[in-house]
Amino acid sequence: GAVVSQHPSWVICKSGTSVKIECRSLDFQATTMFWYRQFPKQSLMLMATSNEGSKATYEQGVEKDKFLINHASLTLSTLTVTSAHPEDSSFYICSALLDPTFGTQYFGPGTRLTVL
Amino acid sequence: RKEVEQDPGPFNVPEGATVAFNCTYSNSASQSFFWYRQDCRKEPKLLMSVYSSGNEDGRFTAQLNRASQYISLLIRDSKLSDSATYLCVVPVGAYDKVIFGPGTSLSVIP
Repeated sequence: GAVVSQHPSWVICKSGTSVKIECRSLDFQATTMFWYRQFPKQSLMLMATSNEGSKATYEQGVEKDKFLINHASLTLSTLTVTSAHPEDSSFYICSALLDPTFGTQYFGPGTRLTVL
Repeated sequence: RKEVEQDPGPFNVPEGATVAFNCTYSNSASQSFFWYRQDCRKEPKLLMSVYSSGNEDGRFTAQLNRASQYISLLIRDSKLSDSATYLCVVPVGAYDKVIFGPGTSLSVIP
């Protein structure tokens, strides 16, 4: 099946620093990737849609200047959490769209961010 | 009405039992649907896709009722390894962006 990797798998940082998370589709090309955030005991919430070669589309309420997304190639999208604060601590999960016709998404293993 | 709603659960069932979850959606234009399972502190994994009236894969059966706008997932002969949260996923707009339901927690007990 389709494999998506994320790096790092977990990160602890101080308040005010920036954290970069990478999402890679390992065995397929993905023009579209998605970034989600999941707080404890809640479902996944879509943050933004990342399209290769164009600007990301952010969901309502998600600050684009705080969560910088770069879809550098057909296999790599990055999410940078700038000036992280404790309330940004969450589980960040990316997914890659395998087949736009059917909308099947494959998820990376997630990155657990803890901001002290 | 919320975009995607699921049985709140949790469901606690004995091994071997049959259990069914329901999911309702509000966007009547949605065409394809998905069931994912998510284990604690892990990423969601695709369980089944549903494009027509239903789909069956071993012990798992998904059914779609477009008129009533709901999808169901039936698990037969439950195994301990089926314990997880089951997420109903519905596309919104074009075949890319999706909405995740809140999930239904299942615990299969010996």
